[in-house]
Amino acid sequence: AQSVTQPDIHITVSEGASLELRCNYSYGATPLFWYVQSPGQGLQLLLKYFSGDTLVQGIKGFEAEFKRSQSSFNLRKPSVHWSDAAEYFCAVGAGAAGNKLTFGGGTRVLVKP
Amino acid sequence: KAGVTQTPRYLIKTRGQQVTLSCSPISGHRSVSWYQQTPGQGLQFLFEYFSETQRNKGNFPGRFSGRQFSNSRSEMNVSTLELGDSALYLCASSLAGNWDEQYFGPGTRLTVT
Repeated sequence: AQSVTQPDIHITVSEGASLELRCNYSYGATPLFWYVQSPGQGLQLLLKYFSGDTLVQGIKGFEAEFKRSQSSFNLRKPSVHWSDAAEYFCAVGAGAAGNKLTFGGGTRVLVKP
Repeated sequence: KAGVTQTPRYLIKTRGQQVTLSCSPISGHRSVSWYQQTPGQGLQFLFEYFSETQRNKGNFPGRFSGRQFSNSRSEMNVSTLELGDSALYLCASSLAGNWDEQYFGPGTRLTVT
């Protein structure tokens, strides 16, 4: 079954610094998604990749790059804001049709002032 | 446009009881998916309904069931509750097709004692 792995459980970053969250996918795993979950909230889609251009722009200044050679779909932001403190989930579309998602374990991001 | 609403937001039940959770999707959305979120297992897909039919199913026991009504509202039911069913249950709605953006509700926090 298709799967994604997020190697980092926690990441601490200073406000204004760059952020990169890692996501490794299993062979052939697309489409791929990044979601964010703020405390006490549901999930919000940041961006998605189906095919084509491997650099994907999302909301809130995030981008992700699909790298087939490394089986990775890492999320990046050039300069983090305190409001970016949240949990981030990578996900892969599973099944032949519909909207079934398989999520990675998540990475919690803490932002230091 | 109103977002995805889930009721109730919090619920406390006793082991052995059953529970029904409700999800009202965004107006015009026809697909509703359910996810269970726990600290140990993370985010796991339960099932997806589209046009009152189950389109996808996760790997949960038969105690977990769902349905969708003609107005796209969905309910999920858990019978014979176990302590391990304590979780945040998230509902997501999307328009109709494959891999349309899913909008998540805030979730129902179920505690089984």
